[in-house]
Amino acid sequence: QLQLVQSGAEVKKPGSSVKVSCKASGDSFGSYSINWVRQAPGQGLEWMGNIIPVFGTTNYARRFQGRVTITADESTVTAYMDLSGLRSGDTAVYYCAKSITMALDVWGQGTTVIVSS
Amino acid sequence: QSVLTQPPSMSAAPGQMVTISCFGSDSNIGSNYVSWYQHLPGTVPKLLIYDDNGRPSGIPGRFSGSKSGTSATLDITGLQTGDEADYYCATWDNSLSAGVFGGGTRLTVL
Repeated sequence: QLQLVQSGAEVKKPGSSVKVSCKASGDSFGSYSINWVRQAPGQGLEWMGNIIPVFGTTNYARRFQGRVTITADESTVTAYMDLSGLRSGDTAVYYCAKSITMALDVWGQGTTVIVSS
Repeated sequence: QSVLTQPPSMSAAPGQMVTISCFGSDSNIGSNYVSWYQHLPGTVPKLLIYDDNGRPSGIPGRFSGSKSGTSATLDITGLQTGDEADYYCATWDNSLSAGVFGGGTRLTVL
């Protein structure tokens, strides 16, 4: 059974970048998609983008294009989400989640990113 | 503004039934499967319904999903206080080439 374990909480300065990792255990990535979803305080879930590691193909939500890069390393079964140009509005819990279609059935534990000067 | 529209809040008494709606368009709900999630504060979102009406193992039969045209619904019967949570619909949008979530519905079980 695939499990996803994310990296720890981060505190970042405005304008900097953050890279969150998502390591799979119990299975390979297979032909799954790894999605990144965030929830800012008091807000709903927001899809940021995904990657199909076996193909390396990515899709990004328009509002994050140019700021987010999602990569995956099949050898370590780890996916990464890199968000640049951080601002206070990027303060959120970031989740990775596995899916085949858009049914996100396995989620990481979440990574809190705080952007503060 | 979310691409998928859900009512911001709903409430019902224990034991009753509630129907949460999710309205979209031809490019998203009208063309792709819908999934539903339950999100309790401080926890990880949980998949309740996949592929419009599929239920993962371990999800009680009280939760059911359906879809018609460009709208989808999540029905919860026999409401329990433990069902108090935020509920989200999600699907793929072909025009955006992106995943989309509804704005979420906060369910209160009075």
